[in-house]
Amino acid sequence: DGGITQSPKYLFRKEGQNVTLSCEQNLNHDAMYWYRQDPGQGLRLIYYSQIVNDFQKGDIAEGYSVSREKKESFPLTVTSAQKNPTAFYLCASSIAHLTGPNQPQHFGDGTRLSIL
Amino acid sequence: AQKITQTQPGMFVQEKEAVTLDCTYDTSDPSYGLFWYKQPSSGEMIFLIYQGSYDQQNATEGRYSLNFQKARKSANLVISASQLGDSAMYFCAMREVNQAGTALIFGKGTTLSVSS
Repeated sequence: DGGITQSPKYLFRKEGQNVTLSCEQNLNHDAMYWYRQDPGQGLRLIYYSQIVNDFQKGDIAEGYSVSREKKESFPLTVTSAQKNPTAFYLCASSIAHLTGPNQPQHFGDGTRLSIL
Repeated sequence: AQKITQTQPGMFVQEKEAVTLDCTYDTSDPSYGLFWYKQPSSGEMIFLIYQGSYDQQNATEGRYSLNFQKARKSANLVISASQLGDSAMYFCAMREVNQAGTALIFGKGTTLSVSS
């Protein structure tokens, strides 16, 4: 069954700790995205990647880092520099923009990150 | 300035009634796409419907239709015959085709409550 898998579902971070959120897709999509959602708010873009070994900062990249070593995987690291990391994190993927601008993004089920 | 505006924080409707969720957008790009997503309390984002800026007809998908008024820059979602399972948060989003980044820009969402 094709889809996007995010893990873990819940994650707790201690002060000064880096944590990594996993995102894997088997949809053969070129583009992948990370969004942050705060309670009662819309989604804000953290990072995106159009192709393997390339990624771009979104609107709120400070305190986060990503890698894209494989087409299927786009992990997000929340570093200790991110002072307010408590939020719901959603990973998405889509067909490459230039070949399918009308294609929707497909989302994972999200990871809820909290501070201990 | 916000690119996507959803002015209704919450909407209430009875089962079997129709409901319209408002969305206005702001772009100078002549080519763009508009999307609606549903987010139940469990958190996943479910794609509902898409409208392209050059589409001549309003998009429809089952009980969902999009009232697209290009001159007014509005893309309202109409849900006919509401069901209890429609209770969720609804997000309007836009993709500007000519922009290098291909991520979606989201509004802040409207919470829909359907009662029996």
